[in-house]
Amino acid sequence: DGGITQSPKYLFRKEGQNVTLSCEQNLNHDAMYWYRQDPGQGLRLIYYSQIVNDFQKGDIAEGYSVSREKKESFPLTVTSAQKNPTAFYLCASSILGGHPDTQYFGPGTRLTVL
Amino acid sequence: AQSVTQPDIHITVSEGASLELRCNYSYGATPYLFWYVQSPGQGLQLLLKYFSGDTLVQGIKGFEAEFKRSQSSFNLRKPSVHWSDAAEYFCAVSGGYQKVTFGTGTKLQVIP
Repeated sequence: DGGITQSPKYLFRKEGQNVTLSCEQNLNHDAMYWYRQDPGQGLRLIYYSQIVNDFQKGDIAEGYSVSREKKESFPLTVTSAQKNPTAFYLCASSILGGHPDTQYFGPGTRLTVL
Repeated sequence: AQSVTQPDIHITVSEGASLELRCNYSYGATPYLFWYVQSPGQGLQLLLKYFSGDTLVQGIKGFEAEFKRSQSSFNLRKPSVHWSDAAEYFCAVSGGYQKVTFGTGTKLQVIP
């Protein structure tokens, strides 16, 4: 079955540590996205990538970094510079030039910083 | 800039009753509109989308939505709610080219 996988589902880290969230898709989609979800705030875009080895900042990129070395993978690193990293993180993908943009979502990773 | 407003943070309906979730958008041209549903601790699932044509759009799970340009609205409806519909619902707008803006969501509670 085609889809998006995110791992792990739950992640606990100590304050000051970097942590990397995994996102893999086998939908052959070109574009991938990372969103942060906090209660009552909807989804906010962190980073997105349209092609391999290229990515753009979203609305709240500070304290985060990404890479896109393979079409299928778009890992997100939450760095120690992120002031309030505890949140639910969602990865999505879509067809580039699939206009308009229908995004398909993974199951999410809940990050808790202790 | 595009934006989405979901004025109802929380709605409670009785099982079997009808449902309408409100969504208002702001966008300068013809928007592309979406409704997603999220169960607790899960990702978002696409319910339906409007791109063009018929302003009444049918989706999965018996949901429909109507695009009203004059009111800048895209309200989600279901004639008879089931307990399994309890979830959070997100409206989203796009002008194309990957930029999608989501509303803050409406939590639906279904009581017996």
